[in-house]
Amino acid sequence: QKEVEQNSGPLSVPEGAIASLNCTYSDRGSQSFFWYRQYSGKSPELIMFIYSNGDKEDGRFTAQLNKASQYVSLLIRDSQPSDSATYLCAVLGFQKLVFGTGTRLLVSP
Amino acid sequence: SAVISQKPSRDICQRGTSLTIQCQVDSQVTMMFWYRQQPGQSLTLIATANQGSEATYESGFVIDKFPISRPNLTFSTLTVSNMSPEDSSIYLCSVQWTGAGNTIYFGEGSWLTVV
Repeated sequence: QKEVEQNSGPLSVPEGAIASLNCTYSDRGSQSFFWYRQYSGKSPELIMFIYSNGDKEDGRFTAQLNKASQYVSLLIRDSQPSDSATYLCAVLGFQKLVFGTGTRLLVSP
Repeated sequence: SAVISQKPSRDICQRGTSLTIQCQVDSQVTMMFWYRQQPGQSLTLIATANQGSEATYESGFVIDKFPISRPNLTFSTLTVSNMSPEDSSIYLCSVQWTGAGNTIYFGEGSWLTVV
C-alpha cells in the first residue's frame, strides 16, 4: 500500500463547477496535511494545510480532513481554467513530507 | 513564509559529469530537504540536510551519488555525481517553516537534462 494515494485523473470539470480532489494516507500518526498545486514546468505551490478534523476554508478552496478514515480532500469552488494543474496531496510524518502522485485537474471554459 | 532561491534553474549536462545545485533561504531554517521529481512523476525525498551534521538519506539514495552540504542555517548544496540520463529530473530544495502547520515551501527547482 502506498503511503499517500491519489487518483491520477485527469479530473475534468466545466468552468464554474466544484472540483473535488481526494487523498488517502496510511500512517495513522500523521498530523499535518497539505495540498500543493503544480503547473507544468513549475515547482509545487502550497495552497492549503490542515491538521484538525473537519473543514478549513480559504477563498474558493476548502480542505477537509477525516483522521478516522485517513482521508483528506480539497474542494475548489467556481473552478476556473487557470485552476487547471496537478494537485499534490502531501502528508507530514516524522520530519518527512510524503507526496501522492497527484491528480491532474482540467477545467474547461 | 521563506523565500528560497535555487541555482542553476536549468542546465544540460554531459554524461559522467557532476553538477552542484545551490539553495539559499532568506531566513534561518532548521530543516531543509532535497526532492527529486522525474518526468511525469511525483516528488521523492532524496535527503534531509541537517546543519552541522551529515545529511539523512532516504532509501535508494546514497551520499556518494548525492553529496549534500549544509554549512549554515540559510544555505545548502546538492551535488548530482557521475550523471547519467536517468538523473534527468527536477531537483527541488525545500524548507520547513515552523510556523502554523510546519509548512514546507519549495524553491523554483533546478531542471537538469543529462545527455
